[in-house]
Amino acid sequence: DTGVSQDPRHKITKRGQNVTFRCDPISEHNRLYWYRQTLGQGPEFLTYFQNEAQLEKSRLLSDRFSAERPKGSFSTLEIQRTEQGDSAMYLCASSPTTRQGPNTEAFFGQGTRLTVV
Amino acid sequence: KQEVTQIPAALSVPEGENLVLNCSFTDSAIYNLQWFRQDPGKGLTSLLLIQSSQREQTSGRLNASLDKSSGRSTLYIAASQPGDSATYLCAPPGSGGSYIPTFGRGTSLIVHP
Repeated sequence: DTGVSQDPRHKITKRGQNVTFRCDPISEHNRLYWYRQTLGQGPEFLTYFQNEAQLEKSRLLSDRFSAERPKGSFSTLEIQRTEQGDSAMYLCASSPTTRQGPNTEAFFGQGTRLTVV
Repeated sequence: KQEVTQIPAALSVPEGENLVLNCSFTDSAIYNLQWFRQDPGKGLTSLLLIQSSQREQTSGRLNASLDKSSGRSTLYIAASQPGDSATYLCAPPGSGGSYIPTFGRGTSLIVHP
């Protein structure tokens, strides 16, 4: 297993354009998380999926943001009408659920660096 | 809401020193706590996961302790090396029985030769 994969690694876009990021979690990890990180800050939670169900969304996830995980495998995060304030690193993580319960380790991808000009 | 504070915010030390990085959190009703390392411009690398029933977890030169009742965790780095230079982040879960990792700003570590 190659770990959590994110694509693209870098994206430069003009203000007002739409962008979409992809995350491929570790195989058989049923939980998937999206975070946003700006310079000098820790990652901020955006949204969480268990299989294909989006179970939690942060207030940071404005109506310009949408995330999907249609078949419970890969996930996409779309930002519509991008603004300069959307410039950040977008991180994806996944974790499994085991018979012992939810106390499992989360693994992160390398992130997608978005720059809005 | 789970609030995470890491002290110190930044640390610069000569190679070979033993280090202590502190993490405090406000909601102690947690299942576990995870420590991560982040290199500049990169994603997060998991270092250690401590379950709520454990008091310590060790991996190589790293040792993490957890005092759930006081809302504290400590990461010890023995015999620091320049390759240890990175930002270290602790992540307890969010409040209300959540298991979504929640982060503070981390501790930025520089180990110089």
